[in-house]
Amino acid sequence: GQNIDQPTEMTATEGAIVQINCTYQTSGFNGLFWYQQHAGEAPTFLSYNVLDGLEEKGRFSSFLSRSKGYSYLLLKELQMKDSASYLCAVVDSNYQLIWGAGTKLIIKP
Amino acid sequence: DAGITQSPRYKITETGRQVTLMCHQTWSHSYMFWYRQDLGHGLRLIYYSAAADITDKGEVPDGYVVSRSKTENFPLTLESATRSQTSVYFCASRLGEMETGELFFGEGSRLTVL
Repeated sequence: GQNIDQPTEMTATEGAIVQINCTYQTSGFNGLFWYQQHAGEAPTFLSYNVLDGLEEKGRFSSFLSRSKGYSYLLLKELQMKDSASYLCAVVDSNYQLIWGAGTKLIIKP
Repeated sequence: DAGITQSPRYKITETGRQVTLMCHQTWSHSYMFWYRQDLGHGLRLIYYSAAADITDKGEVPDGYVVSRSKTENFPLTLESATRSQTSVYFCASRLGEMETGELFFGEGSRLTVL
């Protein structure tokens, strides 16, 4: 079966750095997405990785290792507004999007 | 610049009733999707549509019906609601055929079936 694993919940301190991991076992791989979802709101796009390596976009970076079936989202200089759920999703060999259950990130002052 | 809108945002209904959730997008995106989101699960695809009059089943289509007579609208109907269909429903759209393209989500419709 296809599986995407993320930690259910993480806590971090304002101003710090946090890394949210995502491991996947899917039938094929055609890219990985990260979305942010604030409570009661719609998911919004953060990043897309299809090649190995790190992609930086402001305070957020996303890393991919296809050989390890592993990705992480790195958030720097955490702000209270970063409190949200972070969803990892993989495009499989049939170009279907498989979603993880999401990681709820709690930021403490 | 309305984007993608869903209605109603909140709905309470009873078992056995028919419910329709509406989705409207102003971007003329080709692809539209319906997902449900439940605690402890990832987003699960119910139905999707590649263009007007073209729809296809997703991962969890049972108990749901969709139509797409116009590009901008993609309603989701629960023909006879069950308690297991209590969920938050998200409509999404994507510009083109690239399955690796970004999805744009509506604000969600929270449905409770009593």
